[in-house]
Amino acid sequence: NAGVMQNPRHLVRRRGQEARLRCSPMKGHSHVYWYRQLPEEGLKFMVYLQKENIIDESGMPKERFSAEFPKEGPSILRIQQVVRGDSAAYFCASSPEGQGTDTQYFGPGTRLTVL
Amino acid sequence: GNSVTQMEGPVTLSEEAFLTINCTYTATGYPSLFWYVQYPGEGLQLLLKATKADDKGSNKGFEATYRKETTSFHLEKGSVQVSDSAVYFCALISGAGSYQLTFGKGTKLSVIP
Repeated sequence: NAGVMQNPRHLVRRRGQEARLRCSPMKGHSHVYWYRQLPEEGLKFMVYLQKENIIDESGMPKERFSAEFPKEGPSILRIQQVVRGDSAAYFCASSPEGQGTDTQYFGPGTRLTVL
Repeated sequence: GNSVTQMEGPVTLSEEAFLTINCTYTATGYPSLFWYVQYPGEGLQLLLKATKADDKGSNKGFEATYRKETTSFHLEKGSVQVSDSAVYFCALISGAGSYQLTFGKGTKLSVIP
């Protein structure tokens, strides 16, 4: 059973460009979470999604950030008009239906660098 | 709000030394507590967990005991190996049905032969 997949692993963008980060959950998992790790900080919750639904986006900045988890395909975290402060590692996690959301399986992360 | 404080690294130990990484927490209600490990270039892996007071989580020779009276969940291993070199994160989830993990900043461990 393949783990949580994220791509790209490294992404470089210039200020003002868009960044798209993809996350494919583990097979059979229908819950997806995104976390952000700023330099020298722990991971911070951003958003929790189920298929075609955003359950909780309370950790997401109000502007420029959006997330989706369509019926088919990976979850996407989209950052518009990136700024230097968006440089961070973005981790996706997934959990299975019916087994509790407290056990989350993490992907390897996408390291975003904004020049 | 919830918060996790863990000892700052980096920590450098010789092989077969005893490891302790301290973790204390503040939470509403009765949290579940976790240790995650991140090996170089990889994602976080769940190392162990404990869901109620006095529970002991253990895995791969690592142990941590949920101490409600001291709000702590210190990670220990009796004899570390070079392969244990990684970053260790303490985390919690508070409340039934909760899903927001709250993480400490991580402690980098380097084990030298």
